[in-house]
Parts: sequence; structure tokens; C-alpha cells
Amino acid sequence: DAKTTQPTSMDCAEGRAANLPCNHSTISGNEYVYWYRQIHSQGPQYIIHGLKNNETNEMASLIITEDRKSSTLILPHATLRDTAVYYCIVTGTASKLTFGTGTRLQVTL
Amino acid sequence: SAVISQKPSRDICQRGTSLTIQCQVDSQVTMMFWYRQQPGQSLTLIATANQGSEATYESGFVIDKFPISRPNLTFSTLTVSNMSPEDSSIYLCSVKWGSTDTQYFGPGTRLTVL
Repeated sequence: DAKTTQPTSMDCAEGRAANLPCNHSTISGNEYVYWYRQIHSQGPQYIIHGLKNNETNEMASLIITEDRKSSTLILPHATLRDTAVYYCIVTGTASKLTFGTGTRLQVTL
Repeated sequence: SAVISQKPSRDICQRGTSLTIQCQVDSQVTMMFWYRQQPGQSLTLIATANQGSEATYESGFVIDKFPISRPNLTFSTLTVSNMSPEDSSIYLCSVKWGSTDTQYFGPGTRLTVL
């Protein structure tokens, strides 16, 4: 599985968009980009995933660059409940998930 | 998404004892996984448990320490054997579910070994 690089931490004001970047320069053609988040000691929550097209669901949007070497998870209107560790994971669908250290997002008033 | 429950949600155990953690899913799934999350760390995969076959363990994890059962398509157990304080962690099960084979996680079992 391709390695990912994420900032260790980020802050975001409540109500503003949170943009979480992820670099995955060694991604291969059949690998997807998955995003999960973990709210303090709970089980990780699936957010979204994509292959090469941008994706949007009720939780977030995923923007993948044309060369697929990086992506951005966008939470359009962050709330305090979005404070969590966000994990960007690159893997084939048949493969296991390998978690890195993620980005700790702190949403503030 | 699949609904996953784990029992117990937390436990405090004495060193040298064993604890069996149960994972129940509301849908039939082929692949189930067990993860460990040590304090302040990220998740580490322990093993993959497919129904009808032996579990596949990741490097650093052995069957004698973490025996796994997978009796049917909705249930699995992980036993943490001969526990030591270093086994204090959150243990999580997860499943692949749905048309896109997305992995979903249970709420975790917080284990403290004294």
C-alpha cells in the first residue's frame, strides 16, 4: 500500500470549512484513497473514499488531484463534534487498512 | 453501513488471565478484522478472520497469544491470553461490507491489565 503524509495537527473555527490535506505520491493505479476519523477512543468512522474522481457525501467532500498524488478532505461547515483524528489511507479494495498517525483536527469556537 | 457491536465494552483484568472479546455484526460478512490500539498510538492490525478458514496473523502477532474464532458469518471472538500490562489497549473489530467493500469498525473494547 502507498504511504501517506498528513500534517500532525490543524485548527479550524466552528462554522468554517476544514480542509485536511494528504500526500500519497506513490499511489498506484488501482489504489483508492480512504478517509476515516476517530473521535476520542471510539472506533474509527468511515467518511468517504475515491479512486480518481472527486466525491461528495453527506459528511464531506474528497478532492483528488489529477495526478492522484495528493487529496484534500473537506468538511464544509465544521462543528465542535468534528474534533477528531482524521486518517488518510491508500489501499486497494482487496487489501487491509494500514493506519498512520493521522491529523488531529481541533475545531474551536 | 453494517452495525457492529462488541462485548465487553471495557474490562479490568489481572495479569496472567485471559479475556475473550466478542464481535457481532448485523449482516453476513466474509472478512472480519481485529485491531489493537495501544495508548496514544494508531491502530495496528492483529489478524484477518474469514469464516471457514484459519485466521491470518500479521507480523508480531501469534495465534497462541491472540486465538481467534470465526464460527459463522456474523460473529467472531478474539482472546487475549496470559495478559500482561503491555496488553492494555483498545481492541477493535471491523468488517468489510457493501458493494464497495468498505471497512466499518466496532466501538472497541478497552482493556486494562493490572
